[in-house]
Amino acid sequence: AQKVTQAQTEISVVEKEDVTLDCVYETRDTTYYLFWYKQPPSGELVFLIRRNSFDEQNEISGRYSWNFQKSTSSFNFTITASQVVDSAVYFCALSEASDRGSTLGRLYFGRGTQLTVWP
Amino acid sequence: GAVVSQHPSWVICKSGTSVKIECRSLDFQATTMFWYRQFPKQSLMLMATSNEGSKATYEQGVEKDKFLINHASLTLSTLTVTSAHPEDSSFYICSARDRRGPYSNQPQHFGDGTRLSIL
Repeated sequence: AQKVTQAQTEISVVEKEDVTLDCVYETRDTTYYLFWYKQPPSGELVFLIRRNSFDEQNEISGRYSWNFQKSTSSFNFTITASQVVDSAVYFCALSEASDRGSTLGRLYFGRGTQLTVWP
Repeated sequence: GAVVSQHPSWVICKSGTSVKIECRSLDFQATTMFWYRQFPKQSLMLMATSNEGSKATYEQGVEKDKFLINHASLTLSTLTVTSAHPEDSSFYICSARDRRGPYSNQPQHFGDGTRLSIL
């Protein structure tokens, strides 16, 4: 079963527009961790955020903000006032706690959303 | 911060050649490392989990005799693509799990990836 769904394959916006990247996840664990990564054309993965399942507070970091809704199993990512440098593939990922509950397991990645910001 | 070094970053070689990719954790001990494969415009797919001092655990559908993994020390894991063929051409990314686990904001640190092209 697919654990992380990023329904938006590609999004194009013009600079300074706000854009929201959707992420829906599926898990039976009560303890889990959600992540967003950015992959620029050079290929490396850039860590953006980690969210624990027991912490539903939304987070803002500069132009980035994240909306975690356990009720809808969603962890959406918004970029305000987008810039050309934001162009990249963005991955949402899920990690489930091990049976012992203290060790993070493997990462399940969504298919990614290609964001293109035009000048 | 934690750094994972992956080498080489780019490999072009003839069909039938074996290629070794190294993944090193530079400033932390990694008892567990992961190897991912990414086809163009696709997500990252976990190939195997590498545990220091023991045999790697391969995901379903991944040929263990084709993709040899060795995790001989707490800071080094290697992936060898044996008798590589054009269909093995892909982007390979390793990650090292931080032993601090849930207490680390980034439980996995990623290498910059290796682009493998088999002619």
